[in-house]
Amino acid sequence: AQSVTQLDSQVPVFEEAPVELRCNYSSSVSVYLFWYVQYPNQGLQLLLKYLSGSTLVKGINGFEAEFNKSQTSFHLRKPSVHISDTAEYFCAVSYLGGYQKVTFGIGTKLQVIP
Amino acid sequence: SAVISQKPSRDICQRGTSLTIQCQVDSQVTMMFWYRQQPGQSLTLIATANQGSEATYESGFVIDKFPISRPNLTFSTLTVSNMSPEDSSIYLCSVGGQGLGETQYFGPGTRLLVL
Repeated sequence: AQSVTQLDSQVPVFEEAPVELRCNYSSSVSVYLFWYVQYPNQGLQLLLKYLSGSTLVKGINGFEAEFNKSQTSFHLRKPSVHISDTAEYFCAVSYLGGYQKVTFGIGTKLQVIP
Repeated sequence: SAVISQKPSRDICQRGTSLTIQCQVDSQVTMMFWYRQQPGQSLTLIATANQGSEATYESGFVIDKFPISRPNLTFSTLTVSNMSPEDSSIYLCSVGGQGLGETQYFGPGTRLLVL
């Protein structure tokens, strides 16, 4: 079975500052990794995903994440945040042959301070 | 990707009643999933619904409480039966399977408050 740990439940950051949201996973097999964003009163939107290939993945809204197999991490980064990035961010993992069952982390609330 | 809609978007219900949530997708998909997101919590998978077969429920969820239908490849319903205040949550459907690149895409969710 796989699991996902998001180390920070809340991350306050000033507007235009960089941000990193941390995600670590545990799995005995090769994984697929995802970051989703949930804006207030909305569903989940896919930010980016890692399935294979380049370990640096670029997503929407200027976000990127790096898959680090040795550290079992998939941290999300943005060099300069905007007020509109205020949302909750979920890291998730699935695996080949897992019938697309996804395990979600507990979520990190990003609060951008003007 | 896929575009998913859910009805209703929100509802307030009395305990003991039932609510059926609809999920419609703009293309044929193999797999549909139903999740619950309790206040301040992450997402928990309720069941996987594949067309032409019975839904597969996760541990802690039973068909009597959460009956699911999947009549075709673009539609599914989840019923929350005999509701109690503990059922107050956001219910989300998602889709995945062949053609969607090992990725799940989510609907906007249904916000349910049980009084």
